[in-house]
Amino acid sequence: GAVVSQHPSWVICKSGTSVKIECRSLDFQATTMFWYRQFPKQSLMLMATSNEGSKATYEQGVEKDKFLINHASLTLSTLTVTSAHPEDSSFYICSARGWTGGFSNQPQHFGDGTRLSIL
Amino acid sequence: TQLLEQSPQFLSIQEGENLTVYCNSSSVFSSLQWYRQEPGEGPVLLVTVVTGGEVKKLKRLTFQFGDARKDSSLHITAAQPGDTGLYLCAGPPRDSWGKLQFGAGTQVVVTP
Repeated sequence: GAVVSQHPSWVICKSGTSVKIECRSLDFQATTMFWYRQFPKQSLMLMATSNEGSKATYEQGVEKDKFLINHASLTLSTLTVTSAHPEDSSFYICSARGWTGGFSNQPQHFGDGTRLSIL
Repeated sequence: TQLLEQSPQFLSIQEGENLTVYCNSSSVFSSLQWYRQEPGEGPVLLVTVVTGGEVKKLKRLTFQFGDARKDSSLHITAAQPGDTGLYLCAGPPRDSWGKLQFGAGTQVVVTP
């Protein structure tokens, strides 16, 4: 159980285009989803926290107008990289967490990531 | 920010050898999680430790949570090439609303 699907797994596009990445929880309802960015040989850097039906909370230094997050249902969150440039090239990973009854021990379940390459 | 420091950053060993990865913090965590990540994939949860002093075993992997809940270790016995990967520890910072703070990771390479 606890499967998270991320799509697409790899995308290459030209500078200036916008790219949408989907994150779906397949067998559970995800009240919270998280979006991370990872550079080669480095750890995960949290970009934003997305709660169903409300605005995402962005980490310091992450441009909310650049990285648009929508969490319209309990099983789907999307990250749109707007007007992408080569410096936005990275590995983007989402994770999902179900309802915990209030305590934070519930683990996050991760998607397989999206490799974004901007030419 | 409650930082998690992992050591070593990189570990290269021969098949059959043992290894230990450490995850340390100056802050108390309510729980710590260990993940393994392979290239081009997302992290996969290995274990969650919750109680101070807790020891959990997963086949050849042994996880320990420090008594004060400020540190954890991962020990692999008789490592195999399939154990190769990036090992990440993570824990929820205080008042984190479900967020996870990740360590920098330990890259483990096991050669045949």
